Amino acid sequence: GEDVEQSLFLSVREGDSSVINCTYTDSSSTYLYWYKQEPGAGLQLLTYIFSNMDMKQDQRLTVLLNKKDKHLSLRIADTQTGDSAIYFCAVVGPGTYKYIFGTGTRLKVLA
Amino acid sequence: EAGVTQFPSHSVIEKGQTVTLRCDPISGHDNLYWYRRVMGKEIKFLLHFVKESKQDESGMPNNRFLAERTGGTYSTLKVQPAELEDSGVYFCASSQLTGASGNTIYFGEGSWLTVV
Repeated sequence: GEDVEQSLFLSVREGDSSVINCTYTDSSSTYLYWYKQEPGAGLQLLTYIFSNMDMKQDQRLTVLLNKKDKHLSLRIADTQTGDSAIYFCAVVGPGTYKYIFGTGTRLKVLA
Repeated sequence: EAGVTQFPSHSVIEKGQTVTLRCDPISGHDNLYWYRRVMGKEIKFLLHFVKESKQDESGMPNNRFLAERTGGTYSTLKVQPAELEDSGVYFCASSQLTGASGNTIYFGEGSWLTVV
């Protein structure tokens, strides 16, 4: 079945850029999402990208999609301590509503 | 507009006991989903309701889990009897559209279950 993989941890210094990576196996994935989970909180939709796009920018967030390599990344510019959280990548295939999530990447921002 | 609300937010129960989690979707959303994340693993789909009907329950782990959505409004997820491996976060989500890819779903804050 579909598999989505992420590295478990990332540590960056405040003010630096963070890049969180995600790989997936199903080339027919049509929509790809990034969710954020802060400690003790629920899942917050950060952004999403359609498979016919290769980049999407939203303020400090930039999503890059490489369909050939089945690789999705989330770049956070000027990372702040408030960005410390777990970031989940999720994909959806055509004709389905089931989100397939990765294990989440825990981002730690050092002051 | 209220988001997806879940209750309880946290629950600690003993192995063998029963727990019932409740989810109130966003008003007007016919689609309701349950997902869960056991410790350190990925978030996994459990099931999907369209109104009061179970559209897909392929992710339910075993028959100790029972989900209902009477009247097509709120939903409950009962775990009976609870086992240690059931510990995790149970997320409920809802959406307006049915079955379409890219249909953005909105998650609740989760019910954190600890079985001791």
